[in-house]
Formats: sequence, C-alpha cells, structure tokens
Amino acid sequence: GNSVTQMEGPVTLSEEAFLTINCTYTATGYPSLFWYVQYPGEGLQLLLKATKADDKGSNKGFEATYRKETTSFHLEKGSVQVSDSAVYFCALSEEGNQFYFGTGTSLTVIP
Amino acid sequence: NAGVMQNPRHLVRRRGQEARLRCSPMKGHSHVYWYRQLPEEGLKFMVYLQKENIIDESGMPKERFSAEFPKEGPSILRIQQVVRGDSAAYFCASSLTGMETQYFGPGTRLLVL
Repeated sequence: GNSVTQMEGPVTLSEEAFLTINCTYTATGYPSLFWYVQYPGEGLQLLLKATKADDKGSNKGFEATYRKETTSFHLEKGSVQVSDSAVYFCALSEEGNQFYFGTGTSLTVIP
Repeated sequence: NAGVMQNPRHLVRRRGQEARLRCSPMKGHSHVYWYRQLPEEGLKFMVYLQKENIIDESGMPKERFSAEFPKEGPSILRIQQVVRGDSAAYFCASSLTGMETQYFGPGTRLLVL
C-alpha cells in the first residue's frame, strides 16, 4: 500500500539556519509527491510538488527532489526565517484519487 | 478566483447532535475530497466525490458519517449522533480533475462537548 513516513518534530532552529525535513514514501506505482505547509489555525497550502523521478520542486526558497532510488522527498531550505514557523506535511498521490499524508513536522524558528 | 470555501469555520455540538460541514470547491473544480485531522496527527483521507457521485469512501467510518456533492450547491459532510471522538479539524480539498493537485480549504474545527 501507499504510505508516507516523515521526520518527527518538533524542530527548533535559529533564524538563517539550514533546514532539512526528511520524508520517505512507499507506493505501489509512480506517485506524485508534495509538501504542504499549515500555519496555525489555517488549512494546508501547497508549498511545492514533483511529479516524476529526479524532478525538483521549489518555492519560496524551499526545495525537494524526487529520489526514486531512495524513495525520498526531503524538504530543504538554506536559510530559514521566523515566518517559516509552521507545520510541514509530506504527501503522495497516485492517480489523484486521494492523498496520503505524513504526520507532519512542526518547525519553530527563533530570532 | 476564490479558493476552497468551508463553513462553518468552528462548530460546537453536544453529544448526540448532528454536525453538517459544508465545502464549496474552487470555481470549475468538480472533484472534492474530505480529510480529518485529529489533534497532533496528520490528515486522514475520508471520501472522494465528484458531482452526484461517491468515487471512494474507503476512509469513511461505516456508521454515522455520510457525504454528498449534489449537482447544485456545496459538498456536505454529515455526522449524525456526534461523539467526543469526532472532535477534529475537517478539511475539504478540490481539484480540477482527478489527476490534478488538490487545493485545501481552511477547515472546520468541530468540538463535541
């Protein structure tokens, strides 16, 4: 079956630090991979996505590369800001029928 | 283009009452998905609907929960005889086709007293 395993948090970083949030997946076919971000009290916002192996998704300084050989889609950012504090969810979708989400990683960036 | 709309944003019910959650997809989207987020957990898929049809309800509890997406109007997630364990955030998402990215609404936070 399909599943997503995500690095557990919470993660606390100082401003301008480097961020990595690990995500690995299990899928029966060829999924699309996503990172969503959830700010307090809000819904999920699409952060970036990749639809096939070796694709790199990027947005707002965040990047993730679809690695089929390691079944991973780790999220990275070179220099985090206080405004990046949120919960980050890794997700996969096969044929668009439903998304499978990781449990979320809470990030707090302190000045 | 307005995003996915959900109402109410917050809903308080007493045990045994009914909860109705509404979702209006993005304009032009005919695919709607409902997810539930329990405290400190990720989102769990509940049901996938197209207009007037339930495509996949494998994540729906067998009792008390139902969903519809009529030809006109919003999608409705209905929970009958709510219990405290139903307290959660319920998110709706929509997509243009079944193969596209899903866009999420702000959620309805249900509290059962």
